[in-house]
Amino acid sequence: SQQGEEDPQALSIQEGENATMNCSYKTSINNLQWYRQNSGRGLVHLILIRSNEREKHSGRLRVTLDTSKKSSSLLITASRAADTASYFCATDPFNDYKLSFGAGTTVTVRA
Amino acid sequence: SQTIHQWPATLVQPVGSPLSLECTVEGTSNPNLYWYRQAAGRGLQLLFYSVGIGQISSEVPQNLSASRPQDRQFILSSKKLLLSDSGFYLCAWTGGEEKLFFGSGTQLSVL
Repeated sequence: SQQGEEDPQALSIQEGENATMNCSYKTSINNLQWYRQNSGRGLVHLILIRSNEREKHSGRLRVTLDTSKKSSSLLITASRAADTASYFCATDPFNDYKLSFGAGTTVTVRA
Repeated sequence: SQTIHQWPATLVQPVGSPLSLECTVEGTSNPNLYWYRQAAGRGLQLLFYSVGIGQISSEVPQNLSASRPQDRQFILSSKKLLLSDSGFYLCAWTGGEEKLFFGSGTQLSVL
């Protein structure tokens, strides 16, 4: 079963706008990860946030983590057409290096 | 640097035919290896996990099997494919850190 659930399922924005997507999970975690998948390709790791962190930045990405609400958000600022992809959150609910992925948020950035 | 190779990229097979998908990792030793399956528009389902040669953990009982004949080689197999085996198969590895590195995937269509 899936540990994380992303919301919304799909998002369409204009180039230059910000994109925000959320992830909710069920069990306690050591860390939460976000991955990106271009259509028909493998997933690429974007960022990892640990349970004792509340916010993390990487370039135009900002990730927040609220362990009390068991939720995380991924913000992409100043989006570009190249950001069009599906974004997945992933957790390791049993701390055994077996990541559980959500169903993803599909982001479309219109030029 | 480490790289992961997965092939073939696309495969169309008739129901009842055998399957063999191969994944190899270069530039590292004793990786943890994974096979995931992704149905269209869905998240990833962990199929198999391996921590070493001959050590395979099956996560979902099904028509598939996996083998690890060499340290950096992971093979996904089936003796007789079912329609429900169609999907996007992804191989991944980790070297002990939490994040996964994915191959480019195999799109399997069983007709």
